[in-house]
This record gives sequence, C-alpha cells and structure tokens, in this order.
Amino acid sequence: AQKVTQAQTEISVVEKEDVTLDCVYETRDTTYYLFWYKQPPSGELVFLIRRNSFDEQNEISGRYSWNFQKSTSSFNFTITASQVVDSAVYFCALSVYNTDKLIFGTGTRLQVFP
Amino acid sequence: NAGVTQTPKFRVLKTGQSMTLLCAQDMNHEYMYWYRQDPGMGLRLIHYSVGEGTTAKGEVPDGYNVSRLKKQNFLLGLESAAPSQTSVYFCASRLLAEGQYNEQFFGPGTRLTVL
Repeated sequence: AQKVTQAQTEISVVEKEDVTLDCVYETRDTTYYLFWYKQPPSGELVFLIRRNSFDEQNEISGRYSWNFQKSTSSFNFTITASQVVDSAVYFCALSVYNTDKLIFGTGTRLQVFP
Repeated sequence: NAGVTQTPKFRVLKTGQSMTLLCAQDMNHEYMYWYRQDPGMGLRLIHYSVGEGTTAKGEVPDGYNVSRLKKQNFLLGLESAAPSQTSVYFCASRLLAEGQYNEQFFGPGTRLTVL
C-alpha cells in the first residue's frame, strides 16, 4: 500500500525565516512520482513540482527548493526567506506508475507572520 | 482557456435531498477525478474516470455516483445527501502521457453543506 505522511500539522514563522516542510512516503514500487501542491487561503490547489523516482537531483525554483532522498523516502520542501504570501496549506502527494491515482498527505499549514 | 471549472461554488442541502456537481475541463484531458477535502484529512478520492464513458471507484465512493458522458465533463451526484457529506469537493483533470504521470489540474472547489 502507498502512504504519504506530513507530520507537521502547522508551522508558524516570521517573515524572512527559512522553513522546511517534511514529506515521507511509503511504496514498494520502484517507479513513482512525487508532487507538491499549494492551497492558499483562497482555496484553489496550485501545482508546484513533480519529481519521478529516477531523478534524485534537488530542484530550486526561486525561493523554493526540494530535497528528494530515496534512502529516507523523503521529499522535503524548503522555502527560503519566507514571505506572508507563502501562507498556505501545502500538500505532498504520491502516484505509483501504472495506477491512475494520486495519494495525498494530510497537509501542512504554514503561517508566515510579518 | 478556463482550465477546470466547477458548478456550483456553494450549495446548502437538507438531509435526503439530491444534487449534481458539474466539472468541466477544456484541456482535452483523458483523466478526471472527484475528491473531497475535510479538515485534517487531506484530499480523498471519491471516483475517477480514465476516459469518456468510463468510471471507477476511489477511496470513499459510498453515497456518490458519477458519470462521464462527454470527455470534457464529469458529474458527481449525491442521491440522498447526509450531513457526513458536508465537505469541499474538488474536481481535477490530467493529461494521459505514455510512460509518465502528469500533474493533475484542479478546479476551484465546491463547498457543500448538508443540514
């Protein structure tokens, strides 16, 4: 069975702090995909990144970076110099190859205070 | 392109009433999904479709039915609403691509309250 765990229910930081959101996944399959989505207070879900299991390179996009480590089954997300606009619920998700489904973690609510 | 749209945005039902939520996408995606989001539980898959005329059960299908008569539309029906179905419902679509799993695109959500 597949599972995604986001142990941090809520994180609060002050603007300009760096923050890391943890994601641990479980699967026995060797081919899978990992995703991060952002859900701002307005409610829509915004796609941030997709990573396949054969690509362990870390990715950086502006203030966002992702650290994929198969050895620890983790796909952590770091926001550098956080801003108030980063306040949102962030979801990590997993899809196994040849299944049609996306399995979501329970989300981490990030609050960035000015 | 409008992307994924959902109708209605809000709805209040009484227990036992029925309703249909409409999802439409203009991206020619093969896959479509219905999720519900409840506090502390993330998104849970209700039903999904891998193409026109096909549907399949997800994680929490009881009390819901779906239909996909046209590729661009995916309908979610509640035949006899219950308070436990109070939730925010999201529709999503995904492009079929050989050998990879593309991201899902989500609609804005429908907030449903069952009294």
